[in-house]
Amino acid sequence: QKEVEQDPGPLSVPEGAIVSLNCTYSNSAFQYFMWYRQYSRKGPELLMYTYSSGNKEDGRFTAQVDKSSKYISLFIRDSQPSDSATYLCAILVQGGKLIFGQGTELSVKP
Amino acid sequence: GAVVSQHPSWVICKSGTSVKIECRSLDFQATTMFWYRQFPKQSLMLMATSNEGSKATYEQGVEKDKFLINHASLTLSTLTVTSAHPEDSSFYICSARFSGQGPEKLFFGSGTQLSVL
Repeated sequence: QKEVEQDPGPLSVPEGAIVSLNCTYSNSAFQYFMWYRQYSRKGPELLMYTYSSGNKEDGRFTAQVDKSSKYISLFIRDSQPSDSATYLCAILVQGGKLIFGQGTELSVKP
Repeated sequence: GAVVSQHPSWVICKSGTSVKIECRSLDFQATTMFWYRQFPKQSLMLMATSNEGSKATYEQGVEKDKFLINHASLTLSTLTVTSAHPEDSSFYICSARFSGQGPEKLFFGSGTQLSVL
């Protein structure tokens, strides 16, 4: 079993739609859960992260962690064409290493 | 936020040659640098972790003699792909961490696309 699993998509939605991106993880000891956005042939940029469980909101973005089911989610409200990118969930492990999900390619159509 | 500069952004080389990729932290001292590899439509996979002045720690399955990492200063790490072959063609990304624990202490370079002919 992979430590982090993510549906690779691709996912295509109309502008203004609510987008839900999800990952599952295997190790209940993980504490930091991140979402990165990556444009084609660029390095990933940190969107937001949560520590332990719960929700975190930043503008149109909401990150959720459910530790009981080992499930992490990113919701994007009022999606825009500029949100089109690949979204990667990631877990921070000891030493600063990151374990990434496969990434979900999102396309928001005008 | 902090800036990590990675060069070159794109390199094409012949099979059997060596290629060096540089990763610099421009406005902070990076205690640790990481090298990742990303194949098309796949995730980033950690190759190695390097701390300034010490030998790099490689992930399982990564050949240390093929992927040479030098972390000579707190602002510079280099990855050299020796005797490159077409299967080494990939997107290589570095990440730098300055002192601290959280994800906000990690910054990524813009990546290097390596194409081996």
